[in-house]
Amino acid sequence: DAKTTQPNSMESNEEEPVHLPCNHSTISGTDYIHWYRQLPSQGPEYVIHGLTSNVNNRMASLAIAEDRKSSTLILHRATLRDAAVYYCILRDHSGAGSYQLTFGKGTKLSVIP
Amino acid sequence: SAVISQKPSRDICQRGTSLTIQCQVDSQVTMMFWYRQQPGQSLTLIATANQGSEATYESGFVIDKFPISRPNLTFSTLTVSNMSPEDSSIYLCSVLPGPGGGYTFGSGTRLTVV
Repeated sequence: DAKTTQPNSMESNEEEPVHLPCNHSTISGTDYIHWYRQLPSQGPEYVIHGLTSNVNNRMASLAIAEDRKSSTLILHRATLRDAAVYYCILRDHSGAGSYQLTFGKGTKLSVIP
Repeated sequence: SAVISQKPSRDICQRGTSLTIQCQVDSQVTMMFWYRQQPGQSLTLIATANQGSEATYESGFVIDKFPISRPNLTFSTLTVSNMSPEDSSIYLCSVLPGPGGGYTFGSGTRLTVV
């Protein structure tokens, strides 16, 4: 699986937007960019995923660079409940690759009241 | 998305014993995955469990230590055998989503071996 690089940690003030970066310079054409988060003492939770175009859902937005070598997860207004470890993961949707998710170390987001 | 019930949520076990973890899904799913999360670490895939076939184990994990059953499309178990303190971790199951969705994870089993 292609690798991703994320900062180890980030801080944000409550009610401000948060931009979580992810670099994936070796991404292939069939790799989707997935984001998951893990709140303390819980299993990972799906946030969003995309291929080329920017994506929005009720939880977040995903901005994908034109060359697809990087992406940014955007939380529009951070709340204390958004404090978690955020994982950026590439998954091959072609059917030729494996189906599992390969987790890196992720970014630990702290939200300051 | 699928809803997963994972049991037990936590357990404290004596070394040398075995613990079986159950994962029940509220819908039929093709693939189920078992992960381990050691203290302060990220998730590591143990094996992929398909119904009707042997589980596929990742490097560093063997069937004798982590036998897996997958009797139907909604249920799987992972057994941690002959436990040692190094097996103290959180064990999680996950399922492959339907089209357009994300993977769903159980809430995990926190295992402490003493």
